[in-house]
Amino acid sequence: SQELEQSPQSLIVQEGKNLTINCTSSKTLYGLYWYKQKYGEGLIFLMMLQKGGEEKSHEKITAKLDEKKQQSSLHITASQPSHAGIYLCGADPTGTASKLTFGTGTRLQVTL
Amino acid sequence: KAGVTQTPRYLIKTRGQQVTLSCSPISGHRSVSWYQQTPGQGLQFLFEYFSETQRNKGNFPGRFSGRQFSNSRSEMNVSTLELGDSALYLCASSQPRNLADNEQFFGPGTRLTVL
Repeated sequence: SQELEQSPQSLIVQEGKNLTINCTSSKTLYGLYWYKQKYGEGLIFLMMLQKGGEEKSHEKITAKLDEKKQQSSLHITASQPSHAGIYLCGADPTGTASKLTFGTGTRLQVTL
Repeated sequence: KAGVTQTPRYLIKTRGQQVTLSCSPISGHRSVSWYQQTPGQGLQFLFEYFSETQRNKGNFPGRFSGRQFSNSRSEMNVSTLELGDSALYLCASSQPRNLADNEQFFGPGTRLTVL
């Protein structure tokens, strides 16, 4: 079965600093999803990457998928308190987007 | 467009009881997936229903079951509750038109506490 490993497990950054979260898969990915979760709440979709070498950006968040489609990174530029939460990467092993395998998550705190 | 809704939001049960959770997908979405989230195991896939049929299944015991109705609403049932079933249960709906549109929209979750 596919396993996803995220690093770091937790991160504390000062407001305005940049940060990167990594997600490594044990198998080639059909699709890689990034979600954000506020504690105890549902997941908010951030981005989905599908092609090797693909890069997508939304506001101050950029996600990349490597050429081999086994590693992805999520980069936040000039972090803000609103970026705080748990970031989860999810892999789509079946290509149906309906059975995602998730990483263990990265807890981000942004200090003032 | 209304998002994915889940009811109830919070639930407290005792060991041995059974529970039914409900999920209403986004209008027009025919796929509903269920996940269990716990601090120890993280977010794990339970099962997925598409057009009233279970299409995918995770590695959970038979005490966990689900169904989907003709209007795509879905329910999951857990029988003979155990303490370890305490978790946040999330459902997600999707209606992909092509691979690039594959996105799962998640509901707010039902927090189940088993005493």
